[in-house]
Amino acid sequence: AQKITQTQPGMFVQEKEAVTLDCTYDTSDQSYGLFWYKQPSSGEMIFLIYQGSYDEQNATEGRYSLNFQKARKSANLVISASQLGDSAMYFCAMRGFQGGSEKLVFGKGTKLTVNP
Amino acid sequence: DTGVSQNPRHKITKRGQNVTFRCDPISEHNRLYWYRQTLGQGPEFLTYFQNEAQLEKSRLLSDRFSAERPKGSFSTLEIQRTEQGDSAMYLCASTGGRYNSPLHFGNGTRLTVT
Repeated sequence: AQKITQTQPGMFVQEKEAVTLDCTYDTSDQSYGLFWYKQPSSGEMIFLIYQGSYDEQNATEGRYSLNFQKARKSANLVISASQLGDSAMYFCAMRGFQGGSEKLVFGKGTKLTVNP
Repeated sequence: DTGVSQNPRHKITKRGQNVTFRCDPISEHNRLYWYRQTLGQGPEFLTYFQNEAQLEKSRLLSDRFSAERPKGSFSTLEIQRTEQGDSAMYLCASTGGRYNSPLHFGNGTRLTVT
């Protein structure tokens, strides 16, 4: 079974600064994937970035990067140059690729507020 | 690519009534998921289809909940004898292609049981 832990219920950052959102995970699978989603107040879930357990490089997508530390089982999301539009809920999720389950397991999320 | 479509957007019903939600996935996606999200929580997995086959259901899913995906296209989620605890956002997502492809979510159906 997979488990995701996001320990920061809320985070605040000044516009144009960088912010790190924490995510730790637990799984018995050797092969798995980690995903980050953004959910603005409007409610839609927006996919941001993906990291595979065997990917050698940390994933990057524009202003989003993933600080993947496999030994620590952490997959923190880094948002650089924060913008007001980044204010939203952020969810870390994972799927194991060996246990036979296809479900994506989500954490409880972190609410990010970007201040002007 | 028109995205994942869910109907209705909002549903208010009285306790004890049955409700049905519809999800139209992205057309080329063969995998479809239903999730439930309550306020302040992450999405909680309900069930998963590959084409028309329902391959996985949450153990937490009450037998009042049933889902179908006839012909592997759209899907419906029915809740029978609704309870106030069923009030939540019901999200549908689809994906296809590689095993590590992300899920694409619809805008959800918000259910309120009075």
